[in-house]
Amino acid sequence: DAKTTQPPSMDCAEGRAANLPCNHSTISGNEYVYWYRQIHSQGPQYIIHGLKNNETNEMASLIITEDRKSSTLILPHATLRDTAVYYCIANNNAGNMLTFGGGTRLMVKP
Amino acid sequence: DSGVTQTPKHLITATGQRVTLRCSPRSGDLSVYWYQQSLDQGLQFLIQYYNGEERAKGNILERFSAQQFPDLHSELNLSSLELGDSALYFCASSGGTILTDTQYFGPGTRLTVL
Repeated sequence: DAKTTQPPSMDCAEGRAANLPCNHSTISGNEYVYWYRQIHSQGPQYIIHGLKNNETNEMASLIITEDRKSSTLILPHATLRDTAVYYCIANNNAGNMLTFGGGTRLMVKP
Repeated sequence: DSGVTQTPKHLITATGQRVTLRCSPRSGDLSVYWYQQSLDQGLQFLIQYYNGEERAKGNILERFSAQQFPDLHSELNLSSLELGDSALYFCASSGGTILTDTQYFGPGTRLTVL
């Protein structure tokens, strides 16, 4: 899996959009960008994934640059419950293990 | 709720002992993955089973073993426990097919070795 780089921490005001960046400059053509989050010590929660196109679901939006070297996870209206560690992972979606890095600790503040 | 269940939620035991952690995957998922999360190591992949067969191994100690049963539930056996084995152990499951291989995680088992 390609290595991903994320800022270790970010703050966001409640109600504002949280934009979490991820760099994956060595990503292969068959690797998807996955986002998971872990709230306190709970099990990682799947958020969204994409290959080339931007994706949106009920939780978030994923914007992938045209060269696929970076992406941004957008939580449109962050709430206090979105405070968590967010992990960006490159994975070929072929049943292989996930390689977790340090992630970004997002703190949503009132 | 991811649909993946793990038991027990908490486990406290002594050094040298053996424990078994259990995981039931989401309905229909064929792949089960085990991950360990300790304070200093982050989330690390241990082992994967697909439809009863071992498919991939990560940083799993020889004292640890796992299996997946015909009903697809999986067990992780940890023996000769050491203080350093204290960690959160997560199980994840996926459909096992190329197109639908998102992994969904269970709530974890917190193991404390005293």
